[in-house]
Amino acid sequence: QKEVEQNSGPLSVPEGAIASLNCTYSDRVSQSFFWYRQYSGKSPELIMSIYSNGDKEDGRFTAQLNKASQYVSLLIRDSQPSDSATYLCAVKTTDSWGKLQFGSGTQVVVTP
Amino acid sequence: EAEVAQSPRYKITEKSQAVAFWCDPISGHATLYWYRQILGQGPELLVQFQDESVVDDSQLPKDRFSAERLKGVDSTLKIQPAELGDSAMYLCASSQKSEAFFGQGTRLTVV
Repeated sequence: QKEVEQNSGPLSVPEGAIASLNCTYSDRVSQSFFWYRQYSGKSPELIMSIYSNGDKEDGRFTAQLNKASQYVSLLIRDSQPSDSATYLCAVKTTDSWGKLQFGSGTQVVVTP
Repeated sequence: EAEVAQSPRYKITEKSQAVAFWCDPISGHATLYWYRQILGQGPELLVQFQDESVVDDSQLPKDRFSAERLKGVDSTLKIQPAELGDSAMYLCASSQKSEAFFGQGTRLTVV
């Protein structure tokens, strides 16, 4: 079992709709959670970080964390064609040095 | 805006040759990560440095890969000899406390 799991997609979303991405993790003591966006052929770009249970909003993005259920999600509101990318979920362990592990990514395709 | 610098951006090498990648993290970032990303997969951690010390290299194929960060600043990842299966994107990231930021990566093609 991978330590960070995501559906690979592709997730097809009409322009203007909400894209909902999910991620589960296996290490119960993980403390830091991140979402990265990666365009084809480019490197990952950090878009959201969340550390405590609940919701965190930044512009059109909302990250949700539920540590009891060991999942973290990302909502993209008013999806735009420029949001078409692969979204990577990353989890940082609580080791003193903080190992950062990634899921395999969910491809999002926003259709006009 | 501070960035993680990586070079080269692209590298084509023949199998059995040696290849090296360089990374300069954001100034002041003590943690440096090297990842390998195969097309269609997520980044896989190869090695993690805290200052000049290796804190995790459990997934580094040590028979052919080596990494160093001698002065705790920039870092070099080497492959010798390269194999066809090493073709991938090699990503460097750095972190000061929690958030990690990536460089542009090196696309390696082994022929």
